[in-house]
This record gives sequence, structure tokens and C-alpha cells, in this order.
Amino acid sequence: EVQLVESGGGLVQPGGSLRLSCAASGFTFSSYWMHWVRQAPGKGLVWVSRINSDGSSTSYADSVKGRFTISRDNAKNTLYLQMNSLRAEDTAVYYCARAGVTIFGVAMGFDYWGQGTLVTVSS
Amino acid sequence: SYELTQPPSVSVSPGQTARITCSGDALPKQYAYWYQQKPGQAPVLVIYKDSERPSGIPERFSGSSSGTTVTLTISGVQAEDEADYYCQSADSSGTQDVFGTGTKVTVL
Repeated sequence: EVQLVESGGGLVQPGGSLRLSCAASGFTFSSYWMHWVRQAPGKGLVWVSRINSDGSSTSYADSVKGRFTISRDNAKNTLYLQMNSLRAEDTAVYYCARAGVTIFGVAMGFDYWGQGTLVTVSS
Repeated sequence: SYELTQPPSVSVSPGQTARITCSGDALPKQYAYWYQQKPGQAPVLVIYKDSERPSGIPERFSGSSSGTTVTLTISGVQAEDEADYYCQSADSSGTQDVFGTGTKVTVL
């Protein structure tokens, strides 16, 4: 069974840092691109960042570029999001999601999601 | 930055058909995906590659594409379909992913 479990959320002051983790199991983690998606309280989904299967290529939303860093450790089956210079507007539930692929190599979108971890940026 | 636009809300009676649109300039070039999210839960993929349905998703969910608009159709709506729905795609270069603004489907 595919499982994605986020951790590392919590309360942090503006300007502070936090590192989120996403532990993956039930699939060959090193074969899949992974993403972070966030959702502010009562608001919609916002894509944050993605990383390719071997970690050599990353991409970020404009709102977090230069402040957040996505990485992965395929030996530990774990995805990370290092968040620096945090702002009040970064307050959200952060989800990790797997970018699925069919057996024919067709991109499936985000086929598995974790339950999310809440990050609150406040003084 | 690139945006995908959805109507804020759609209301439908049980057994009727709900249609949710998603508009974006890059949609003729990039596939669209649809997600259902119920309160307090993580999103669930219901459509991929514009119109394909993942295993386990009921046949009443379908997708279509025409120009700069993609549409999620829920035929024979059931009470359990009441949820928020989001489209998702990428910008024209494929560099950044993006979600639509979201549509709340209310079953009357």
C-alpha cells in the first residue's frame, strides 16, 4: 500500500525556518517525481515545488522561489522541504504528493497524497 | 504567473449533471487533471490526461477538452459528490505546475 506521511510542521515566527519531511513507503520511491502542495486555511490548493526522480532537477512557484528548497534522499525514501524566511502568508497545510505514471509512461497527475502537516507562521 | 480559472460554485440536484469548467491559455498544449477534496481530507485524483479516469473512480466522472477550456462532468450526481473540485495543469513551458481556483459543488 502506497503511503506518504508528512512531518515537521508547527508554529514558527516570521523570518524563521522549518524543514518538512515526507516519508514514502509501498512503492519504488526513486522512480517517481514528487511534489509539495499547500493549502491555507479555508483556501484553495497551491502548487509549491517539484523534484525529479533522482533529485537533479527542481522547480518552484514564484511565491517561494529563493526561500524554499526541495530535496530528496532516495536511500531513505524521504522527500524534504526546507523553508526559510517564512512569512505569515506561508501558513498552510503542506501536502506531499506523488506524480503518478501509467504503465505506458503517461503522466497521471498527483495520484497519491499524504494527509498533510500544518505550518503556522506567527509571532 | 500562469492562472487557471474556475467558477466558485456549482449547485445541482441529485441525479442531474454537474459541469465544472477550467480555463487557461496553455491548456491546448498541456494536459489537465482534476481532483476532488472533501472537508478535512487530502485531495483525490478523479481525472488525468484531460479525460482518463483512474481505477476506482466511478464512471459518472468524465473529462473533456476544447481549446483553452477543460470540463469536468459529473453525471447522475450523488450526495457523496458534494466537495471542492480543482483542475491542475502546467504553464506552457511545463516548468511550473498550477492549480485552478477551485469550485465548490453543492448537491441540493
